[in-house]
Amino acid sequence: SYELTQPPSVSVSPGQTARITCSGDALPTRFASWYQQKPGQAPVLIIYKDNRRPSGIPEHFSGSSSGTTVTLTIDGVQSEDEADYYCQSADSSGFYVAFGGGTKLTVL
Amino acid sequence: QLQLQESGPGQVKSSETLSLTCTVSGASTRISGYFWAWIRQPPGKGLEWVGSIFYNGSAYYNPSLKSRVTISVDTSKNQFSLKLNSVTAADTAIYYCARHDYSYDSGGGLTMNWFDPWGQGTLITVSA
Repeated sequence: SYELTQPPSVSVSPGQTARITCSGDALPTRFASWYQQKPGQAPVLIIYKDNRRPSGIPEHFSGSSSGTTVTLTIDGVQSEDEADYYCQSADSSGFYVAFGGGTKLTVL
Repeated sequence: QLQLQESGPGQVKSSETLSLTCTVSGASTRISGYFWAWIRQPPGKGLEWVGSIFYNGSAYYNPSLKSRVTISVDTSKNQFSLKLNSVTAADTAIYYCARHDYSYDSGGGLTMNWFDPWGQGTLITVSA
């Protein structure tokens, strides 16, 4: 089965920039998405098509793609950004979906 | 605004069949024309895609669950459903339903994209 690899944890101080990476063999040919999940809540889509933000998502969230790695960047991290972040994409066939293992963002 | 709501038993006995329904609602909402998905999350763990179904009944399943999963759709009720048979404790999880975006590439190939929106999720516990 297809796998997406994320670091288990990232820690930053308030106001700094957090970068969370996600690696997968099919990422050069498939869109990636990112989700934010806070404790006890359902995941929320924050980035789709590698770098697009749904309406209502703050501008300090951005996405980028380079080869087999996609990156979620959070500029000026705030305490309310502390959450689990998951990347998601499809395999080379396009039919089968995978999630990364998730990255816990800690705001120091 | 599109809303999704999961409904189910809360607890299922080991070796039996888990059944869940997702009801889609909201202004001008129709289940037709979209893919709809089930995703689960064991307590304290990450997200796992279970499967997705098109409004016409075409379904795609996670290969690791394919032998035990059936997803169906009822467009007249704006609902889609999940059945997972022969459950074990490893199937204990929060089960979410979501709309699943899709697109076609220049060669006409189908690509499954992002999930949005999601339901609030329902915890299913498998007991001995």
